[in-house]
Amino acid sequence: AQSVSQHNHHVILSEAASLELGCNYSYGGTVNLFWYVQYPGQHLQLLLKYFSGDPLVKGIKGFEAEFIKSKFSFNLRKPSVQWSDTAEYFCAVNARGPGNQFYFGTGTSLTVIP
Amino acid sequence: EAQVTQNPRYLITVTGKKLTVTCSQNMNHEYMSWYRQDPGLGLRQIYYSMNVEVTDKGDVPEGYKVSRKEKRNFPLILESPSPNQTSLYFCASSLGSVSYNEQFFGPGTRLTVL
Repeated sequence: AQSVSQHNHHVILSEAASLELGCNYSYGGTVNLFWYVQYPGQHLQLLLKYFSGDPLVKGIKGFEAEFIKSKFSFNLRKPSVQWSDTAEYFCAVNARGPGNQFYFGTGTSLTVIP
Repeated sequence: EAQVTQNPRYLITVTGKKLTVTCSQNMNHEYMSWYRQDPGLGLRQIYYSMNVEVTDKGDVPEGYKVSRKEKRNFPLILESPSPNQTSLYFCASSLGSVSYNEQFFGPGTRLTVL
């Protein structure tokens, strides 16, 4: 079975600081990778996704992520966070092809201090 | 408005009393899925459905049932709820294979089993 690890459980940053959230997965085959965000009291929304091509993908709200196949990683980054980025962030993995099981990481809670 | 709806949003029940959480989507999506979200465990997939009358187990199916008699609806059934099923539940849908398509999430159902 696949698994997804998010090593940072809680991150606290000041506004304008740079953000990097780690995500590693365990699966030897080809994968699709996702980052979702959950703002307080809201449901999950897609931030960005990687299927193929350029390993550096850009998402909404200035977020980007880099797929490094050799490291089985898909880290999320943002150069300058804002207070409104306070949320929980989930990395997710799905095996390429007919399989439709989805695996989420345990999430990283980000608090941005004004 | 394109959306995934869940009912009820909040439910408190007692051990052993059968309950159903409804999920409906108005986007003509083929794929639907149920997740539970628990602190420190992230989201875990319970069941998913690729189309009408087609359902498959996710990571944590024990104690749950689902059915997919119509494309738009995917109810989650707890025949005999237990306290360890106290959780936040999310329904999600996707246009086709979740490998290539974004999942849209419902607002969540917070279930407490006493």
